[in-house]
Amino acid sequence: AQSVTQLGSHVSVSEGALVLLRCNYSSSVPPYLFWYVQYPNQGLQLLLKYTTGATLVKGINGFEAEFKKSETSFHLTKPSAHMSDAAEYFCALYSGYSTLTFGKGTMLLVSP
Amino acid sequence: DAGVTQSPTHLIKTRGQQVTLRCSPKSGHDTVSWYQQALGQGPQFIFQYYEEEERQRGNFPDRFSGHQFPNYSSELNVNALLLGDSALYLCASSLGRVNTEAFFGQGTRLTVV
Repeated sequence: AQSVTQLGSHVSVSEGALVLLRCNYSSSVPPYLFWYVQYPNQGLQLLLKYTTGATLVKGINGFEAEFKKSETSFHLTKPSAHMSDAAEYFCALYSGYSTLTFGKGTMLLVSP
Repeated sequence: DAGVTQSPTHLIKTRGQQVTLRCSPKSGHDTVSWYQQALGQGPQFIFQYYEEEERQRGNFPDRFSGHQFPNYSSELNVNALLLGDSALYLCASSLGRVNTEAFFGQGTRLTVV
């Protein structure tokens, strides 16, 4: 069965600090992986995705993620946090036929 | 392009009632999927419609049903509402059934009292 685990329901960083949000997956087939961001009372916005090819994927708003097959991980990073990055972040695994399996989410808190 | 639009944005219903939520997909998209996002949880797949038929279904009871219209728009119906059905309901659209890219609407916040 396919699954996604996000380590840490809440992550707190200071403005300007490194952001690291962790995601591990389980899949019986080569995975397609996604990170989405959700601002309060909003839908989901795609940050970045990995399908095939380069394992370091760059997304919007300065975020990037690295696919590591040996570690079954797809962690999201950003070198310097901004206040506007405060939101909930979801890692997702493509489950076939345009459907996604999501992790439980990580709330990113950014303090001045 | 208006993207994926959902209506209404918020809804309050009483336990036992029935509710209908609506979704208009992104222009040109023919596949609509529905997700339930309970408070503090990630979205969970409910079902998917393509060519006006339910094609995939997640682990949800038959109280959850849907429909897709010829213009690709879709409805999600929930009967005999329970308090536990309170959630954000998200609609996602894609082009074709086998597409890794899905676009999400803003969601409908359903509160059951």
